[in-house]
Amino acid sequence: EDQVTQSPEALRLQEGESSSLNCSYTVSGLRGLFWYRQDPGKGPEFLFTLYSAGEEKEKERLKATLTKKESFLHITAPKPEDSATYLCAVQDRSGSARQLTFGSGTQLTVLP
Amino acid sequence: EAGVVQSPRYKIIEKKQPVAFWCNPISGHNTLYWYLQNLGQGPELLIRYENEEAVDDSQLPKDRFSAERLKGVDSTLKIQPAELGDSAVYLCASSLGGSNTGELFFGEGSRLTVL
Repeated sequence: EDQVTQSPEALRLQEGESSSLNCSYTVSGLRGLFWYRQDPGKGPEFLFTLYSAGEEKEKERLKATLTKKESFLHITAPKPEDSATYLCAVQDRSGSARQLTFGSGTQLTVLP
Repeated sequence: EAGVVQSPRYKIIEKKQPVAFWCNPISGHNTLYWYLQNLGQGPELLIRYENEEAVDDSQLPKDRFSAERLKGVDSTLKIQPAELGDSAVYLCASSLGGSNTGELFFGEGSRLTVL
């Protein structure tokens, strides 16, 4: 059974204070790892897809990286508008081709 | 371009009552998903449609939940009768399919409270 564990559960940063969110996963064969952002009262919004170890993706202040066991979402010089819950999800190569297994998320708060 | 539209946004019912949620996916998206999200948790898949066919409903509690996607566009998720534990946010998502199978477009969700 696929498993996704995200840490920390919650993170408070001062504006400009860089940090990283962790996503550890267990799958029989990774098809893809996905990062989503979710604002309160909204549905998740797609950010990145990573397919293989060593791959990196960037978008503004966010950079996602992938190893064989975990992914990191690095946030550089965050702003208050980066406050949200960040969800990680994995897609297994075997079984149901399109089912995503989501983690519980990291709730990020960036203080001005 | 309009996103995924869901209604109602909020619904409060008493236990044992029925409830239905409606979803209109992004135009041209053949794949439609219904997810359940409990507070502080990630979304969990209930059912996935490819056009009008339900191709993955293994996690749908079929004794009380049902779904349909007529004509392969709009979809309805129904709960009858509702139980206290059904209180959650019900998210609809759609995707183009193909290689981008993990890039889902979510609606804002329907928040259900069962009293």
